[in-house]
Amino acid sequence: KAGVTQTPRYLIKTRGQQVTLSCSPISGHRSVSWYQQTPGQGLQFLFEYFSETQRNKGNFPGRFSGRQFSNSRSEMNVSTLELGDSALYLCASRSAGFSGNTIYFGEGSWLTVV
Amino acid sequence: KNEVEQSPQNLTAQEGEFITINCSYSVGISALHWLQQHPGGGIVSLFMLSSGKKKHGRLIATINIQEKHSSLHITASHPRDSAVYICAAPNTGNQFYFGTGTSLTVIP
Repeated sequence: KAGVTQTPRYLIKTRGQQVTLSCSPISGHRSVSWYQQTPGQGLQFLFEYFSETQRNKGNFPGRFSGRQFSNSRSEMNVSTLELGDSALYLCASRSAGFSGNTIYFGEGSWLTVV
Repeated sequence: KNEVEQSPQNLTAQEGEFITINCSYSVGISALHWLQQHPGGGIVSLFMLSSGKKKHGRLIATINIQEKHSSLHITASHPRDSAVYICAAPNTGNQFYFGTGTSLTVIP
């Protein structure tokens, strides 16, 4: 069974641009969540989607958005990039939305904003 | 105050030593997760536990729901155990809160 796949793995963007990151969950998993990891703040929850609906959102500005498609694939978008958005963005999938299910992470997308 | 507190932040051990990493949380949870992150970013879920104790190879995780405390133990540590270990506590609303991580280095 293929794991969680994130693309692209590495990207460099300029301040003010926007970026879209993609996540393909494990087949059959309906819950996809996104996280930001920075050296200063550690791992922080961005949002979670389940069956195309956003169920939870972390404490991030509206420039961070996401969506989930009917095949459970998810995208997150960051608009008007700031230097502080440079981070590792991780997505994870679970078979159901229940927090007691094992969570599987992708390798992450490394975003550098210059 | 963070919802999840983890200690120690950094840990260096000699190969073969017994290691303990602690995690305390304040949110109401259904299960607590222990994660391992190697350099390069990839995160692997080691344990998900809601009560008692779980063992996988040389790794043991325990949780005390009443005291809101969990520990991760590594017996007979090995250099390949060198990684960052993170505890994660999802609240009842499915929002994950993370500890700051424990950076473990095991010296041969």
